[in-house]
Amino acid sequence: GNSVTQMEGPVTLSEEAFLTINCTYTATGYPSLFWYVQYPGEGLQLLLKATKADDKGSNKGFEATYRKETTSFHLEKGSVQVSDSAVYFCALSWSGGGADGLTFGKGTHLIIQP
Amino acid sequence: DAGITQSPRHKVTETGTPVTLRCHQTENHRYMYWYRQDPGHGLRLIHYSYGVKDTDKGEVSDGYSVSRSKTEDFLLTLESATSSQTSVYFCAIGPGQGRYGYTFGSGTRLTVV
Repeated sequence: GNSVTQMEGPVTLSEEAFLTINCTYTATGYPSLFWYVQYPGEGLQLLLKATKADDKGSNKGFEATYRKETTSFHLEKGSVQVSDSAVYFCALSWSGGGADGLTFGKGTHLIIQP
Repeated sequence: DAGITQSPRHKVTETGTPVTLRCHQTENHRYMYWYRQDPGHGLRLIHYSYGVKDTDKGEVSDGYSVSRSKTEDFLLTLESATSSQTSVYFCAIGPGQGRYGYTFGSGTRLTVV
């Protein structure tokens, strides 16, 4: 079956540091890949997505590239801010969309210190 | 998000009592989902719906039932709540624009005592 593995936290960084959160997946076929962010006390918000190999998703300074050869979708940001503190979830769904929904990783709690 | 609301936002209930959580959408999406979020597990799919009266089980469906009598409402019922069902429950709709986006509600925090 499908699965998503992401580095577990908490990950603690200083403001302006470089961020990488690793995500790898197992799936048959070619799924779509997502990063969602959850701020304290809130629901999940879509951060970025990629729907085919070599696609790069980007938003709010975050980037992730769909790497089929390594089955990875690592999240990066060049300079983090305190406001980036949140839980980040990597997820996949089938490229055809439809009823299967999303398969999530366990989430990475990111803490940015001033 | 504006197009999807969950109620109640918080609930405390006793073991053995029935509980129903409601998800309401105004986006006319065909697909709706119920997830639970637990520390160390991320989000796991409980049930989903692909149309009115069309539902199916997800990864962790035991102890839960769902109903969808109209497009905009998707109900999750715990027939007899147990402490292991203490969790945060999220409803989602999608796929959205571009066929790949999913939108989540703000969640319901359920505590079973």
